[in-house]
Amino acid sequence: NAGVTQTPKFQVLKTGQSMTLQCAQDMNHNSMYWYRQDPGMGLRLIYYSASEGTTDKGEVPNGYNVSRLNKREFSLRLESAAPSQTSVYFCASSEWGELGGYTFGSGTRLTVV
Amino acid sequence: GNSVTQMEGPVTLSEEAFLTINCTYTATGYPSLFWYVQYPGEGLQLLLKATKADDKGSNKGFEATYRKETTSFHLEKGSVQVSDSAVYFCALGVYSGGGADGLTFGKGTHLIIQP
Repeated sequence: NAGVTQTPKFQVLKTGQSMTLQCAQDMNHNSMYWYRQDPGMGLRLIYYSASEGTTDKGEVPNGYNVSRLNKREFSLRLESAAPSQTSVYFCASSEWGELGGYTFGSGTRLTVV
Repeated sequence: GNSVTQMEGPVTLSEEAFLTINCTYTATGYPSLFWYVQYPGEGLQLLLKATKADDKGSNKGFEATYRKETTSFHLEKGSVQVSDSAVYFCALGVYSGGGADGLTFGKGTHLIIQP
């Protein structure tokens, strides 16, 4: 049972390059989320998708876009990477309206040089 | 808005010591409260939760009680083990009725247990 799968696990980008972080869940969850984790900052919500076909901005959406491709997949795109986007990115999923029942992926460690 | 404040640490204890990690919150509405744990190189895992005032969440020897009067949700364990070394996150969520809007996390507390 995979749960939430994120790819890639590690990535180094040059400033200005673009990339897409992939996330897929196999638990038939309705809601999916993207967080970033920075030292001393905890986890901050970038974007979320309450259900298939909807996406909404979180606390720190600037510089990112998302796509809820289907119920299983929720991708995060950096169109023009900046050093400030160096972080660890976590995808999570949950049942509709079930607060706290989040399942997290193992993270993508992104470095922008 | 919503916010969570927790001691950042690192907190260093000896094995079998008593653990308390403080967590306080501010929230609009009636939040649910959570503790998540993150082991090195892994994602976060739900440790315990409480959905209303005076509820006690418990799991793996850890406990936390939802105190509305003090807006707190402190994590406790009577006897810690080396395997409890991890980063612990307090979090809250307020269901808006329009769907799951995402949890608000504290900055995390790094716990180190020495043998």
